[in-house]
Amino acid sequence: DQQVKQNSPSLSVQEGRISILNCDYTNSMFDYFLWYKKYPAEGPTFLISISSIKDKNEDGRFTVFLNKSAKHLSLHIVPSQPGDSAVYFCATNNAGNMLTFGGGTRLMVKP
Amino acid sequence: DTAVSQTPKYLVTQMGNDKSIKCEQNLGHDTMYWYKQDSKKFLKIMFSYNNKELIINETVPNRFSPKSPDKAHLNLHINSLELGDSAVYFCASSQNAGADQPQHFGDGTRLSIL
Repeated sequence: DQQVKQNSPSLSVQEGRISILNCDYTNSMFDYFLWYKKYPAEGPTFLISISSIKDKNEDGRFTVFLNKSAKHLSLHIVPSQPGDSAVYFCATNNAGNMLTFGGGTRLMVKP
Repeated sequence: DTAVSQTPKYLVTQMGNDKSIKCEQNLGHDTMYWYKQDSKKFLKIMFSYNNKELIINETVPNRFSPKSPDKAHLNLHINSLELGDSAVYFCASSQNAGADQPQHFGDGTRLSIL
């Protein structure tokens, strides 16, 4: 049973517009939520995180929103750039900082 | 300089063999991990290793065993390989096991079982 779900396997966005990637989770006890970006033939790269005591965290073009009542988080990328094209994974962590990942969303940013 | 490096990058072997994948990190981190990405692209934690304490995901068969000769290395040994072990294996590290610590990943080892 998946504890972290990304229901959109892919997303296509025009360059300069906003990309919104969504993630749902089942366990209200999770402490931290993270987003990772992955290019083909490379390992995931950490992007941004948010603590469960916050509802928003911003880093440059990337903003993560957390809605605890809905058990939902989202990643906003504004403006989107072609180099942002990658697979994005949301994740949460358990004991020992062991990450549980969603299934990923492939983002394609068209020039 | 690569922060987390894995060798080999590709590994093709026969069913029933025993193999190892090496992982080294030069970040001075205390905690290391192994993940498996299966054919459906799901990334799943296998192990967390911090200060000689090993946490094992209960779904991992005991044919898999991590070995840490020192803090900078966490190697993965797999005995009696099966077809279902074909996957990409990622090593990662973090400063410590705190929930707010981002993990740095290697580029993966693609294991193919014939």
